[in-house]
Amino acid sequence: DGGITQSPKYLFRKEGQNVTLSCEQNLNHDAMYWYRQDPGQGLRLIYYSQIVNDFQKGDIAEGYSVSREKKESFPLTVTSAQKNPTAFYLCASSYTGQGAATNEKLFFGSGTQLSVL
Amino acid sequence: EDQVTQSPEALRLQEGESSSLNCSYTVSGLRGLFWYRQDPGKGPEFLFTLYSAGEEKEKERLKATLTKKESFLHITAPKPEDSATYLCAVIHQGAQKLVFGQGTRLTINP
Repeated sequence: DGGITQSPKYLFRKEGQNVTLSCEQNLNHDAMYWYRQDPGQGLRLIYYSQIVNDFQKGDIAEGYSVSREKKESFPLTVTSAQKNPTAFYLCASSYTGQGAATNEKLFFGSGTQLSVL
Repeated sequence: EDQVTQSPEALRLQEGESSSLNCSYTVSGLRGLFWYRQDPGKGPEFLFTLYSAGEEKEKERLKATLTKKESFLHITAPKPEDSATYLCAVIHQGAQKLVFGQGTRLTINP
């Protein structure tokens, strides 16, 4: 079955440590996204990528980094510069980032809950 | 700047008690409005896309409607399995990303 796989489901970070969240999709989608979700708040965009080897900052990119070396993969690194990393992280993908009518339908992974030790 | 406000924040209903969730938006040149359903500890699942005022979409007990300022998600005779958080999002013309509301947490008691 096609879909988006996020791992791990739960992740714990020690102070000063960088951690990487994995996101893999086999939907052949061009665009991929990372969102952060905090209780009582909407999804906030961290980074997005419309094509391999290219990505753009979202609304809350500080303290995070990404790479897009393969179409299928879009890992997110939460660096030690992110002082409040505890949140539910969601990866999503869509058919294209070119503005076509179909591109806004996002397919989400099951999320990673990151907590600080 | 695009803004999306959902109300109420939380809603409790008895099984079979119909109601509506509201999504008010401020956007310059709406390209699309989206409804998603999210179960606890899971990623959101797409429900509907609405593109123009007057448009309606239905799926089982859910019906989404759109005006120039807001969208409603009507739920008719809900069942406990309809309990979830419902998210609304918008995208404006020329944009590359959605703007999400904070969601409405719906609980249906048997």
